[in-house]
Amino acid sequence: DTAVSQTPKYLVTQMGNDKSIKCEQNLGHDTMYWYKQDSKKFLKIMFSYNNKELIINETVPNRFSPKSPDKAHLNLHINSLELGDSAVYFCASSQDGDRIYGYTFGSGTRLTVV
Amino acid sequence: EDQVTQSPEALRLQEGESSSLNCSYTVSGLRGLFWYRQDPGKGPEFLFTLYSAGEEKEKERLKATLTKKESFLHITAPKPEDSATYLCAVRSRGSSNTGKLIFGQGTTLQVKP
Repeated sequence: DTAVSQTPKYLVTQMGNDKSIKCEQNLGHDTMYWYKQDSKKFLKIMFSYNNKELIINETVPNRFSPKSPDKAHLNLHINSLELGDSAVYFCASSQDGDRIYGYTFGSGTRLTVV
Repeated sequence: EDQVTQSPEALRLQEGESSSLNCSYTVSGLRGLFWYRQDPGKGPEFLFTLYSAGEEKEKERLKATLTKKESFLHITAPKPEDSATYLCAVRSRGSSNTGKLIFGQGTTLQVKP
């Protein structure tokens, strides 16, 4: 049973299109994230949601809009796609307590804009 | 500004040849340092969390250590299946409410039989 699942795994689309990526976690975690991994494998946070509330928006263009209908789901909608948006997008989740624990990542969505 | 630097960028080892990966960090109060393994086409897989200097954790052929400025991932007698990219990340006390992780650029390890 997959802990953090993302769909689709691959997405090829033309410049200017609008697309969405979906993420669901069944771990009962309170916080969910979107990270972007560039071609050099560098992972950078884009958004963080805690209990459906936006916590972080890391200077991401407002063509990117996250939506969290409930704490188990975090979707990413991208408008007017550009060539530079091509990357792998990872969803992750975590649960904080007195200590912090390892984040659980999904398997990624490889977005290619042509 | 919080920062993580990993070295080397790439490492090629023969099977059985032990080595170490380095993760240097500057952070405004460390809340945790994470090591992840990432295989091609997959998401990062959690390995260890270290919380304070002097702490060590082990899992099979991997051992992670932490000082106030850096962390090492020691790989003892590696096997070809240990080939992967190893990622280091930190979470600062300043990001306590956000959960933000700062990642290094990773070390790609190749172990040849």
